[in-house]
Amino acid sequence: DAGVTQSPTHLIKTRGQHVTLRCSPISGHKSVSWYQQVLGQGPQFIFQYYEKEERGRGNFPDRFSARQFPNYSSELNVNALLLGDSALYLCASSYRPQTNEKLFFGSGTQLSVL
Amino acid sequence: SQQGEEDPQALSIQEGENATMNCSYKTSINNLQWYRQNSGRGLVHLILIRSNEREKHSGRLRVTLDTSKKSSSLLITASRAADTASYFCSHLTGANNLFFGTGTRLTVIP
Repeated sequence: DAGVTQSPTHLIKTRGQHVTLRCSPISGHKSVSWYQQVLGQGPQFIFQYYEKEERGRGNFPDRFSARQFPNYSSELNVNALLLGDSALYLCASSYRPQTNEKLFFGSGTQLSVL
Repeated sequence: SQQGEEDPQALSIQEGENATMNCSYKTSINNLQWYRQNSGRGLVHLILIRSNEREKHSGRLRVTLDTSKKSSSLLITASRAADTASYFCSHLTGANNLFFGTGTRLTVIP
């Protein structure tokens, strides 16, 4: 069975541009979460989606948005990119929303904003 | 940190030695989880310990939880070079999302 897949693996953008990151969860998993990891720090929660509805949102500006599709895949969108948005963006899936379940992470998308 | 942190930030040991890393948190928890991350890739779940458990084992891993001190420790016994990674503890916040600390960077020298 395939694990959590993310695309693209690497991305270079310039300030002010827009970016879309994609995530496919493990088959049967209905919950997808997005995390931002700046170099040297732990992952920071951005969004959680379950059954296509937003279930949680971290402390990120409105430039960050996400959605989940009927097949449970998800997109993370970031508008008006800033240099500080450079980070590893991680997607994680689980069968249910985060409670007592472990998360399965993808390998991430490394975003560089120049 | 408002939510918790790992200690030490970095740890370097010889292959075959044991590695201990600690985690503190500040809220009540239902469970605490440990994850490993190799060189900026995705995180891999290692072990979950529930708030009513004090100790849990998985292979060479031993996790303890002290809810009175709001702390947990991860022990890796007989370390191997392949254990070189960053280790994070995580717990649910009041907003029902998973909080991760800054992690412990473990280097195992062959």
